[in-house]
Amino acid sequence: EPEVTQTPSHQVTQMGQEVILRCVPISNHLYFYWYRQILGQKVEFLVSFYNNEISEKSEIFDDQFSVERPDGSNFTLKIRSTKLEDSAMYFCASSAADLLSYEQYFGPGTRLTVT
Amino acid sequence: KNEVEQSPQNLTAQEGEFITINCSYSVGISALHWLQQHPGGGIVSLFMLSSGKKKHGRLIATINIQEKHSSLHITASHPRDSAVYICAVSPYSGGGADGLTFGKGTHLIIQP
Repeated sequence: EPEVTQTPSHQVTQMGQEVILRCVPISNHLYFYWYRQILGQKVEFLVSFYNNEISEKSEIFDDQFSVERPDGSNFTLKIRSTKLEDSAMYFCASSAADLLSYEQYFGPGTRLTVT
Repeated sequence: KNEVEQSPQNLTAQEGEFITINCSYSVGISALHWLQQHPGGGIVSLFMLSSGKKKHGRLIATINIQEKHSSLHITASHPRDSAVYICAVSPYSGGGADGLTFGKGTHLIIQP
C-alpha cells in the first residue's frame, strides 16, 4: 500500500542552524502539507502546497520557514535559523486531487530537537 | 477560526467495553477526520466523513452537521486499541489545499 515517507526520523540540531526535513508523498497525490506537534500539544497546520506553490499557510509559518518540491517526488520543509521553540514532531501529509475526497495521508513524522 | 473540542481527554476502560469519544466544532466544515496516533507518534487516518455514518471493522464514526458534533465508537475494545484518537476538521471552502484544524486528542487506554 502506498505511504508517505519522511526522513530523517530524528534530527538534532543546534540553535541557529538550518534544517531541511524531507518527505516523499504518495506518488499520484497533488496536495501536500506540513504540520507540527510540540510535545504534549495538539497538531498544528503549517502550510499546504499545490501546483508548485503555497496554497495556504498559518501564522506559525513565518519567514524562517520555506517549502519546496525540488523534483517530482520530494517535498521539503526548511527552517532557516532554528530556535528552541521549533523543537517538535513535524508531519508531512498528502492527498489526491479527487473532488470526492480530500483525505490526508500522514507520514511517520520527523522529531526535531533544537539544543 | 474553528474551535475543535474533544471529550473525554483521557479514558481508561476494560477490554470488551464499548467506547465513545466525542468531538464538537464551532464553525461549519466540509469534512471531519478521525485520526489515530500511536505512542511512537505516527498518525493514521481512520475516517473522513461529511455526513451520516461510516463503519470500518469495530470502529464506527457518526456526524451531525446541524449540531456540529461527531462521535467515534469502538465496539468490543481491545488493548491494541490503546492510542490517542484525534478529531480534525477541514474548513468549509471546498478546496483540497485546506489545512486541518485539530482537537487535543483523547488518550485511550484499554486494560486487559
